[in-house]
Amino acid sequence: GDSVTQMEGPVTLSEEAFLTINCTYTATGYPSLFWYVQYPGEGLQLLLKATKADDKGSNKGFEATYRKETTSFHLEKGSVQVSDSAVYFCALSDSNYQLIWGAGTKLIIKP
Amino acid sequence: GAVVSQHPSRVICKSGTSVKIECRSLDFQATTMFWYRQFPKKSLMLMATSNEGSKATYEQGVEKDKFLINHASLTLSTLTVTSAHPEDSSFYICSAPVISYNEQFFGPGTRLTVL
Repeated sequence: GDSVTQMEGPVTLSEEAFLTINCTYTATGYPSLFWYVQYPGEGLQLLLKATKADDKGSNKGFEATYRKETTSFHLEKGSVQVSDSAVYFCALSDSNYQLIWGAGTKLIIKP
Repeated sequence: GAVVSQHPSRVICKSGTSVKIECRSLDFQATTMFWYRQFPKKSLMLMATSNEGSKATYEQGVEKDKFLINHASLTLSTLTVTSAHPEDSSFYICSAPVISYNEQFFGPGTRLTVL
């Protein structure tokens, strides 16, 4: 079945560092891909999404490109801030809108 | 965007009691809602798909008699944890897809603690 694999955390970076969180997927069809963020003590928020190959989702300085050839959707940000500390989830959605989740990656940004 | 609310946000109950969690779509109609459970430092586990006007579809390993789901209207789904035990303590999250947005919107979650 469909699955999502993302890099294990925690990922610890200094403020203003470059961030990459890897995400790869397996799917039989053509899923939509998502990154969700969960800040401490809060619910899930959609960070960005891409619905077809070569689409780039972006929001709040974060970017991810839907790469069908490598089945990847890596999350990147050029300069992280302490406020970016959170858990990031990669997910794909099938035609029934069910989400298949990655395990989550905890990001810690130190000042 | 669309808004999904959950109530209560936190609940503490004694072992053996039942707890009802409500999930509401505030500004759209949801024929389908999803219920998830999130364990500490873990990803979300899909428990069931709630369907308005019909029975919920449960994922493998989820006890339907323990986690009762009712989707009586297009804006409300409820999850009742019956005869709760400490191992049921968890963070329960609901979501609803909005087709026009091609995405799901999540409630803020309910923290259940069973003593």
